[in-house]
Order: sequence, then C-alpha cells, then structure tokens
Amino acid sequence: GAVVSQHPSWVICKSGTSVKIECRSLDFQATTMFWYRQFPKQSLMLMATSNEGSKATYEQGVEKDKFLINHASLTLSTLTVTSAHPEDSSFYICSAPAVSPNTGELFFGEGSRLTVL
Amino acid sequence: AQSVTQPDIHITVSEGASLELRCNYSYGATPYLFWYVQSPGQGLQLLLKYFSGDTLVQGIKGFEAEFKRSQSSFNLRKPSVHWSDAAEYFCAVRTGGGNKLTFGTGTQLKVEL
Repeated sequence: GAVVSQHPSWVICKSGTSVKIECRSLDFQATTMFWYRQFPKQSLMLMATSNEGSKATYEQGVEKDKFLINHASLTLSTLTVTSAHPEDSSFYICSAPAVSPNTGELFFGEGSRLTVL
Repeated sequence: AQSVTQPDIHITVSEGASLELRCNYSYGATPYLFWYVQSPGQGLQLLLKYFSGDTLVQGIKGFEAEFKRSQSSFNLRKPSVHWSDAAEYFCAVRTGGGNKLTFGTGTQLKVEL
C-alpha cells in the first residue's frame, strides 16, 4: 500500500517556541492531506484539511494562527505549532487519501508526539 | 450528523479465544466503513473496509467484519486472537463525497496469555 511518513516521530520543546511537523507521501501524490490530533486514550480528532496550493480548511474550534498548515507540494504537508504551550502536547497524525479510485481509504503516517515543557 | 459509536472502551480476551468488537454508525445513506488498528505510539493501519456488495468483508491478520444495515452495525471479528493483536481498534465512517473520516472512540484490546 501507499506510504505516508511523518517527521519527527517525537519532539520536546520549550513553552513559547514553534515546532514544525512534516508529512510526506512517499510513493504517491496527495493533493489533500488530513491532520489529526489524538489525546491519550482518546480518538482522533480532525484538525484541518491541507490542500496543495491553497489554504487549509480548519475544523470548527481549531485555531488557525496556532496551527499553521502548509501544503507546498504534492508530496509534502507541514503542520507548525506556533508559540507552543503544554496544553498543545499531543500525538499528531497526518493522513492522505487513496488517489484512485477515491474510496475514502486513508493512509496514515506514524504520528508525531509533541511534548511541550 | 454522522457518528460512530464503539460501546466497549476496553476488552480483554484470552489468547486463542474469539473476538468481536462492536461498532454502530449513524448515517442516512449507505456508508463507507472502515476498521483501523493502532499499536502504541504508532499511526493507524487499515484492517478492512466496506463499500458495497458482500456484507461480510475479509481483512488482514485474519480479521473480518459484517455490515448489517438493519442494525447500523459493522462489528469486527476474529476467530482466534493472538497476543500480537493487543492494540487500539478504531471504527470509522466516511460520509459524503469527501475523504473525511469520522472515528469512533476506539476499543482497547488486551490479550491475556
């Protein structure tokens, strides 16, 4: 199956700093990618839809200025957590949909665990 | 609005025993249904999916699921559980024409040796 890779897999940062997480589709092109956030022992909550060449679409309640999403190429989307605070600590997972046919199947990255001190 | 319910937060089974994880969905039309598995600290891996046709679908690792429209259910089953099956299992539904998935709250499976 298709491969989606995230980097870094884990990161620790100080409060107030910004952190960038990359999501790459390794063997297919993705015009759309999805960013999820997962709190411990909870489900995945969709944060935003990343669109190649245009602005991301954010879900209700997600701060656009806090979670900056860029989708500059057909294989790379980035999530930047700006001015991170301890409450931003979480597991962030990206995914990209199967290209053809469009079945709604998503391929997931390995996830990135962010810890803000 | 569409929703997915996984009634069981935790399930513990003995190795070799059968397994059934429940999933109920709320959606007006025929949904696209998925089961994903997540090992600790990892991303999600697709176990199986249902789009149309045969209501009993086979997946990887010996899992199967049955779509029952009358019960709005898509329960996951495995005849004989292995210790390596211990993980978090998520049911998800795709609705509409986009690729957004709505996930259930997950079921944590523990396997006793």
